[in-house]
Amino acid sequence: SQKIEQNSEALNIQEGKTATLTCNYTNYSPAYLQWYRQDPGRGPVFLLLIRENEKEKRKERLKVTFDTTLKQSLFHITASQPADSATYLCALDGDYDKVIFGPGTSLSVIP
Amino acid sequence: NAGVMQNPRHLVRRRGQEARLRCSPVKGHSHVYWYRQLPEEGLKFMVYLQKENIIDESGMPKERFSAEFPKEGPSILRIQQVVRGDSAAYFCASSPVRASGNTIYFGEGSWLTVV
Repeated sequence: SQKIEQNSEALNIQEGKTATLTCNYTNYSPAYLQWYRQDPGRGPVFLLLIRENEKEKRKERLKVTFDTTLKQSLFHITASQPADSATYLCALDGDYDKVIFGPGTSLSVIP
Repeated sequence: NAGVMQNPRHLVRRRGQEARLRCSPVKGHSHVYWYRQLPEEGLKFMVYLQKENIIDESGMPKERFSAEFPKEGPSILRIQQVVRGDSAAYFCASSPVRASGNTIYFGEGSWLTVV
């Protein structure tokens, strides 16, 4: 069956360190993968999109990699700050262009 | 520029009543998506609509749930005869073109509580 998995445990890291979040998928062949941030009580906000022919994408302190062989994407936040604390969702394109989301990983950056 | 507007933000319904959730997409966006999020769970796809058409409703429960996106006006997600299990946050998102390879923009959600 089709499945998207993210870090099952909440991630706690020290301020200033690099946070690395994982997204693995099975039985999908996505043309692209996206990462979103969601704060409690709010809607998800788009962060980055990476296409299947791209290995890596960067935006300020964010970096995303996409390995279609491993069926995995890694999301890095460098020099993390307490304001980065949120839930991070990976998403990919499913059938008929709908966007399918993973369960999310909760990140807490400790001052 | 107004983003995706959802209302009501919070809705309380008694079991058996109807819930209507409205979504106005970003101006100029003709593609709308509805998702449901249960506490401590991820976003579950429900339905994908374009103006006057349902493109994919594979995530919609077969009974009591319906969605529309008329030529004029907001998209509506309608839940008839609500039950406690329908309590969740319902998010709407929109995009200017098909989602594949493009960002979708979310509203702030409608929180439905069934008592």
